[in-house]
Amino acid sequence: QSVLTQPPSVSAAPGQKVTISCSGRSSNIGDNYVSWYQQFPGTAPKVLIFDNNKRPSGTPDRFSGSKSGTSATLGITGLQTGDEADYYCGTWDNSLTGEVFGTGTKVIVL
Amino acid sequence: EVQLVESGGGLVQPGGSLRLSCVASGFAFSDQYMDWVRQAPGKGLEWVGRIRDKANSYVTDYAASVKGRFTVSRDDSENSLYLQMNNLKSEDTAVYYCASTGSFLPWGQGTLVTVSS
Repeated sequence: QSVLTQPPSVSAAPGQKVTISCSGRSSNIGDNYVSWYQQFPGTAPKVLIFDNNKRPSGTPDRFSGSKSGTSATLGITGLQTGDEADYYCGTWDNSLTGEVFGTGTKVIVL
Repeated sequence: EVQLVESGGGLVQPGGSLRLSCVASGFAFSDQYMDWVRQAPGKGLEWVGRIRDKANSYVTDYAASVKGRFTVSRDDSENSLYLQMNNLKSEDTAVYYCASTGSFLPWGQGTLVTVSS
């Protein structure tokens, strides 16, 4: 089972903002960088955010990441229908000695 | 272009073996930690294993679910990553991705492994 907890879904109208939370513990989020991934059905995950808040080239600045203590947050502003996808957080866990991922959150554009 | 391309997936019987490959291009492969991540049908992401770089003695780590059955290796001269999977079980059925988690590098497109009799 996933070590990091995310809400199953979040929703908002086009143009609005959504935030996705990722809750962990001191051995993972509390001590390591967090990444965020976007996945459309039938395709590979795409890196949206790495090192808590850095965007790879190609990631629009509508996407932002932050971390505080043992939690991380992905924000999406100016929501678009094309943002409907599954989103996962991920980080290293020092106790498990492995990468751990969140439960995944489906973004729904109303 | 930065790219990771997996191959080697297919249908295998329970107890069988399979070797996955991943060829990297467009970046300094030898400097990167590399991971295998899998996703069972309709499920979330599950990390499988990691191999570090030469500077870190190519140390490997594995998920508890595959430890003792799977082996991650690499050939930096060929820019290639491998996953040797032995004693496969039905619960190993998944799409397997090659990635460098925690970095900005894109993941591979994935290769499907189906374990069934």
